[in-house]
Amino acid sequence: QSALTQPASVSGSPGQSITISCTGTSSDIGGYNYVSWYQQHPGKAPKLMIYDVSNRPSGVSNRFSGSKSGNTASLTISGLQAEDEADYYCSSYTSSSTLEGVFGTGTKVTVL
Amino acid sequence: QITLKESGPTLVKPTQTLTLTCTFSAFSLSTSGVGVGWIRQPPGKALEWLALIYWDDDKRYSPSLKSRLTITKDTSKNQVVLTMTNMDPVDTATYYCAHRVYGATYFDYWGQGTLVTVSS
Repeated sequence: QSALTQPASVSGSPGQSITISCTGTSSDIGGYNYVSWYQQHPGKAPKLMIYDVSNRPSGVSNRFSGSKSGNTASLTISGLQAEDEADYYCSSYTSSSTLEGVFGTGTKVTVL
Repeated sequence: QITLKESGPTLVKPTQTLTLTCTFSAFSLSTSGVGVGWIRQPPGKALEWLALIYWDDDKRYSPSLKSRLTITKDTSKNQVVLTMTNMDPVDTATYYCAHRVYGATYFDYWGQGTLVTVSS
C-alpha cells in the first residue's frame, strides 16, 4: 500500500489561509469518508486535528477545516498563526491493506 | 484522561529482536470497541502504520512487515507489546503507540514516542 501524496511544504504569512492537499486513490480517499489529519510539532507526538474528512475533535481550533473531492482531501488553516508551524499528515482508511489505514507523506507548514 | 507511554530499549544491534511495551491508563483493552496501534517514524521521515490490536484480540499488521511483527496484549497490566524481529539500521525510528476505537479510522490519543536506534 503506497503512502498518500502530500506537498513537501506549504507556507503563508500570519493571518492568511493555506490549504494542504492529500491525494490517494479510489481504494482509499476516493472510496470512503474516512480521512484524518494530524499535526506534529518537532519532537512531539502527532495530534489529531480532523477526522472523518471534516470533523474536529473537542479542543481543536475552528481555524482548521477539512474537505474532500474525488481522490483528494484537503486541510485548510485559516488565520494562520505562528503556532501552526508544524508538520501535517493525512491518513485514510484503505481497502487495499489488511491494516486498513495509510498515512500521507507529510507537509511542512512554515509561517513566514 | 487517556494516556499511553512506550518503553523499551533505546539501542539494539542488527539482527536482534526489538520488544516494545505500551502502558496505558484510563481505558481497558477488555472493553468492547477499543484498540491500540503502533506507528513509527524514521528521523525526518513520515509516519508508518505497523500493527493494531483490538479488544477481541483481532490483530492487523502492515503487509510489508507482517513476517517480522507480533502484537499482543496483557489486559491485566493494561499493556500492549510489539515485537519486531531481525532489526536493521533502516528500522531506526521513533515508535509510537496510540488509542483507537473500533469502527473509527483514526488514532485519537498518542504516546510520547520512544526512539530506537539500530546500530552495531
